[in-house]
Amino acid sequence: AQKVTQAQTEISVVEKEDVTLDCVYETRDTTYYLFWYKQPPSGELVFLIRRNSFDEQNEISGRYSWNFQKSTSSFNFTITASQVVDSAVYFCALSGLYNFNKFYFGSGTKLNVKP
Amino acid sequence: DTEVTQTPKHLVMGMTNKKSLKCEQHMGHRAMYWYKQKAKKPPELMFVYSYEKLSINESVPSRFSPECPNSSLLNLHLHALQPEDSALYLCASSQVGRGRSSNSPLHFGNGTRLTVT
Repeated sequence: AQKVTQAQTEISVVEKEDVTLDCVYETRDTTYYLFWYKQPPSGELVFLIRRNSFDEQNEISGRYSWNFQKSTSSFNFTITASQVVDSAVYFCALSGLYNFNKFYFGSGTKLNVKP
Repeated sequence: DTEVTQTPKHLVMGMTNKKSLKCEQHMGHRAMYWYKQKAKKPPELMFVYSYEKLSINESVPSRFSPECPNSSLLNLHLHALQPEDSALYLCASSQVGRGRSSNSPLHFGNGTRLTVT
């Protein structure tokens, strides 16, 4: 079974704080793909990152960084020095190699960044 | 700016109306998707078209009828909807492919916010 859990329903921080959004996944596939999406109030889901299961290298993109740990089945997302524009709902998602058109989304974490 | 365009942005329809949602992409993607999203919930897959053929139907009621006229266009025809069908309808596209470097991400449109009265 494929499943993604985002235990944090809502997080509030003050601007310039660092914040980490947790994502834990379950899959029986040995090859799979993990994604993070951002959904601002406007509604569009914006793709942020894709990570393959065979590549555990962490990634940094500006203020964003991702920590992939297969040992704990986690793919956490950290925003450094948060800004008000980071306020959005963030979804973690999983897809498998053989069922690549099906994306399993977590329930989402709403991030509120206050000035 | 999004590369997947959805129209209309907002739609209000009665339960006896027939309407259509439209989606267009020019990224050369050969997989297109319809998702339904209720407030404070993740997107829920409805249909997938791969190379213009319906490949996944997630047991969606027949009052929703998808159509893929060509590789760039995707429609969702609506008929006799219920108030509980009110939601944000998202179109997405992706490349089709398998392999260690594949599983292309979804690229979403801005969505159509549908209200059924």
